[in-house]
Amino acid sequence: GQSLEQPSEVTAVEGAIVQINCTYQTSGFYGLSWYQQHDGGAPTFLSYNALDGLEETGRFSSFLSRSDSYGYLLLQELQMKDSASYFCAVRAIKAAGNKLTFGGGTRVLVKP
Amino acid sequence: EPEVTQTPSHQVTQMGQEVILRCVPISNHLYFYWYRQILGQKVEFLVSFYNNEISEKSEIFDDQFSVERPDGSNFTLKIRSTKLEDSAMYFCASTYGSNTGELFFGEGSRLTVL
Repeated sequence: GQSLEQPSEVTAVEGAIVQINCTYQTSGFYGLSWYQQHDGGAPTFLSYNALDGLEETGRFSSFLSRSDSYGYLLLQELQMKDSASYFCAVRAIKAAGNKLTFGGGTRVLVKP
Repeated sequence: EPEVTQTPSHQVTQMGQEVILRCVPISNHLYFYWYRQILGQKVEFLVSFYNNEISEKSEIFDDQFSVERPDGSNFTLKIRSTKLEDSAMYFCASTYGSNTGELFFGEGSRLTVL
């Protein structure tokens, strides 16, 4: 099966930088995704890493180390609207499926 | 921009009743999923569907659950006899290919079982 570990909550002030770590255990690993979810909303895709290294998309960056079974999401120049839950999710292949298994989520609270 | 749509947004039902949740995935997508999220908890995989058959299901997806793609657009989740612990937000998701980490989620259907 798959398991993912990420911190439950992080608090930071506007303009700060937050790093959310994610460690995973899985067989058939293909990649690591990150999703944002505001309260009452749907998960929305932020980034996907299939290869080692850093992917940058605006204020958000994601990193993967396959050898360490570890990744992180970096939120820069935090804004109030970034207050949300952030989930890492492992993509594993089984037959014709493309299942994502989600971690428990990290609640980010941005304070003025 | 294309989006996944789900109905109803909220359904309240009595324990033991059958519930059908409906989803219209993005039109050219080929892979379909149902996930659920109990309030305050993580997003849990239920089932994946490809080429008109289930490709994978979780332990949660027992005999009380079924999925169907009755026509070219709808994708439904049926719970045959609801239990209190089925109360959750149910998300439908779709994607075009298997070589991606991006799923497109609908806004969800909140199911409350009394």
